[in-house]
Amino acid sequence: GAVVSQHPSRVICKSGTSVKIECRSLDFQATTMFWYRQFPKQSLMLMATSNEGSKATYEQGVEKDKFLINHASLTLSTLTVTSAHPEDSSFYICSARGLGGRAGVSYNEQFFGPGTRLTVL
Amino acid sequence: GDSVTQMEGPVTLSEEAFLTINCTYTATGYPSLFWYVQYPGEGLQLLLKATKADDKGSNKGFEATYRKETTSFHLEKGSVQVSDSAVYFCALSDPDYKLSFGAGTTVTVRA
Repeated sequence: GAVVSQHPSRVICKSGTSVKIECRSLDFQATTMFWYRQFPKQSLMLMATSNEGSKATYEQGVEKDKFLINHASLTLSTLTVTSAHPEDSSFYICSARGLGGRAGVSYNEQFFGPGTRLTVL
Repeated sequence: GDSVTQMEGPVTLSEEAFLTINCTYTATGYPSLFWYVQYPGEGLQLLLKATKADDKGSNKGFEATYRKETTSFHLEKGSVQVSDSAVYFCALSDPDYKLSFGAGTTVTVRA
């Protein structure tokens, strides 16, 4: 099946610093990647959708200058939390939608990464 | 807009008990429907899915049937195990493949 990885799995940083989270599709090409945020014991909130080679589309209420998303290749998307503050502490999860045509990869299905736990002190 | 309403938890069961988690949706068109499972400290894993009315998704003893007439996709398992303890999310996919998630239901199975 399709595998999506995220790095790092956990990160602790000081307030005011920037943190970059990577999301990779390991065995398929991801035309679209999604970034979610999950607060403790709550559901996933879609932050933005990124298509390879184009600018990300942000959901209402998500600050695009705060959460920079880059999707430069068909296997990598990055989320950079700029000038992080304690309220940005959360579990960030990415997902990827496949190009199709590969065994086990369905074009209309998202495959999720394991998540990144961000703690801002 | 599209939305998913899911039975609130937490749900606590004994091993071998029957589990059902209700899920209803509101959507324009004909969305695909999903159940995802999240184990502690992990990301989401697809449990099962259905892409059209009357389809039944099944996996690991779990089942859910896409009911267009009642706009529902209830999750069921006949005999749960301790290893089924997790958070379960119902979700639907719009034509742009964006997922809308329910609030999640925490299930705890006791030995």
